[in-house]
Amino acid sequence: ETGVTQSPTHLIKTRGQQVTLRCSSQSGHNTVSWYQQALGQGPQFIFQYYREEENGRGNFPPRFSGLQFPNYSSELNVNALELDDSALYLCASSPTGGKANTGELFFGEGSRLTVL
Amino acid sequence: GENVEQHPSTLSVQEGDSAVIKCTYSDSASNYFPWYKQELGKRPQLIIDIRSNVGEKKDQRIAVTLNKTAKHFSLHITETQPEDSAVYFCAATGSARQLTFGSGTQLTVLP
Repeated sequence: ETGVTQSPTHLIKTRGQQVTLRCSSQSGHNTVSWYQQALGQGPQFIFQYYREEENGRGNFPPRFSGLQFPNYSSELNVNALELDDSALYLCASSPTGGKANTGELFFGEGSRLTVL
Repeated sequence: GENVEQHPSTLSVQEGDSAVIKCTYSDSASNYFPWYKQELGKRPQLIIDIRSNVGEKKDQRIAVTLNKTAKHFSLHITETQPEDSAVYFCAATGSARQLTFGSGTQLTVLP
């Protein structure tokens, strides 16, 4: 069984640039969530995708956007990067979605973004 | 929305002693409470979870207790070992169906 994979593992951008992070969910999982983890803090919920639609969003501005594809893989896009966007971005998949989504999250290793 | 507070932020124990980490939550609709262990540079990994219809759950040296009335839950690790050293996060699923994490506890087990 393939776990959650993310790419790239590390990247460096400058303020104002745009970035796309990618995630392949674990086999059989149809729900993908994205979290931002700043250094020394707990993960913060960005949004969740279930069956290719956004299924919940945290307190992040519209310049954070996402997609989910028919194979349940997902992308996180961040426009107009700011210094505070520097963080570890974690993707997590789960086998349930919609109203029943109280299941375990399986995390990828994350993409570490540095904004200079 | 949901708010999860976690204490203490750092915890040092001697090998073989017990460690207890406590969390409180705000959303009375929360019904799922996982605990994650994160080693330096690694992904968070689920170590134990509990649902709101259960008061206590145990898995070998790890146990979690839940008090729905007081809206708090705790992680108990007995017979601690050096490999238990890591950052531990509690989390809760609120009515928005998203996991809200605590701020983490850095556990250090001294040999």
